[in-house]
Amino acid sequence: TQLLEQSPQFLSIQEGENLTVYCNSSSVFSSLQWYRQEPGEGPVLLVTVVTGGEVKKLKRLTFQFGDARKDSSLHITAAQPGDTGLYLCAGGRNAGNMLTFGGGTRLMVKP
Amino acid sequence: DTGVSQDPRHKITKRGQNVTFRCDPISEHNRLYWYRQTLGQGPEFLTYFQNEAQLEKSRLLSDRFSAERPKGSFSTLEIQRTEQGDSAMYLCASNLLGARTEAFFGQGTRLTVV
Repeated sequence: TQLLEQSPQFLSIQEGENLTVYCNSSSVFSSLQWYRQEPGEGPVLLVTVVTGGEVKKLKRLTFQFGDARKDSSLHITAAQPGDTGLYLCAGGRNAGNMLTFGGGTRLMVKP
Repeated sequence: DTGVSQDPRHKITKRGQNVTFRCDPISEHNRLYWYRQTLGQGPEFLTYFQNEAQLEKSRLLSDRFSAERPKGSFSTLEIQRTEQGDSAMYLCASNLLGARTEAFFGQGTRLTVV
């Protein structure tokens, strides 16, 4: 059972469209990370959010941490083919610093 | 390159053979983690070290799996008597005690058991 549920699992859109990926849990996390992973490679860290309600922007990507620190969203504006990949959310708790990952959202942006 | 390094990148082995993977973390990081990722899934935690001490092991880490970090620097993950179900991407990550929980990952070792 995944403690972090991501939705949608798959998303195929045209270049220029906007999209939102959701990461939900019934558990509280001290921080939440978003990673992007390309086939055959390890996950690459995009952002960490630690405060309930926090919003961070990274160029066309906007990340939000829920007020209760149980959920997060990733919004991409004007998607580009280079955004194609697997987006993973991962929650961290203080003990051990190990991460609990969601199942991922596979995004394909068509030119 | 100062990132996390894993070797080999790919390993194909016959069922029943033993395999060993190596991870070199970012040099100043004292925590090292192993994760396993199967196709279409997110990574799952296996075990982690703080310096040379192995502090936690997941239930996923059966008796056939063993991990070491003898000098608190690089780590090895050994799988004995491999099974087809062991086929996966094995990921290593590292971070610094006291830092936030974000971890930095290596490129992974893709294991295929035939």
